[in-house]
Amino acid sequence: DAKTTQPPSMDCAEGRAANLPCNHSTISGNEYVYWYRQIHSQGPQYIIHGLKNNETNEMASLIITEDRKSSTLILPHATLRDTAVYYCIVRVANNQGGKLIFGQGTELSVKP
Amino acid sequence: DVKVTQSSRYLVKRTGEKVFLECVQDMDHENMFWYRQDPGLGLRLIYFSYDVKMKEKGDIPEGYSVSREKKERFSLILESASTNQTSMYLCASREQGTSLHFGNGTRLTVT
Repeated sequence: DAKTTQPPSMDCAEGRAANLPCNHSTISGNEYVYWYRQIHSQGPQYIIHGLKNNETNEMASLIITEDRKSSTLILPHATLRDTAVYYCIVRVANNQGGKLIFGQGTELSVKP
Repeated sequence: DVKVTQSSRYLVKRTGEKVFLECVQDMDHENMFWYRQDPGLGLRLIYFSYDVKMKEKGDIPEGYSVSREKKERFSLILESASTNQTSMYLCASREQGTSLHFGNGTRLTVT
């Protein structure tokens, strides 16, 4: 399984972009990068995923380096409600649909 | 919207009790998962199931078993609860190849 490495915590000012890095240097060619977040007292919530191209949706953008060994999740205009733990995950694919292995994540604090 | 419902938000059990944690999803998903979450350790996979009556061990299956008799329901069983099983338990489901949908968790305390 490819493992991911994230900084344990980050701060971001409200209204600024939050850039959350993730290293996954042992990722295989057919493995996707997924991002989830967990707001206090709730279950994790899906944000975005990608294989090799950059992706954008209504929540965030995902930038994956050309060698696919790292990625960055970008929240373009962070709000106080974006305070959460953010998990970067590499999906292991197998015949049964794969299991997702979560690391310890990055605790993002958005401050006024 | 997909809904994953865990039967209890908080649960207190005694050491040695048999404990059942129930999870139901309403979107006919094939895959279901049980994780536990502990401070400093992130989410760790206990068991998962890719079809009715099928199950596969995750990273920390010891002390746990699971049951999937119907597609929508995935139960986690603590055969003889111990204090080191005090934790937040999270259930999730997904259709194969898509993202996970999580319940809000069951906080289990074993005394």
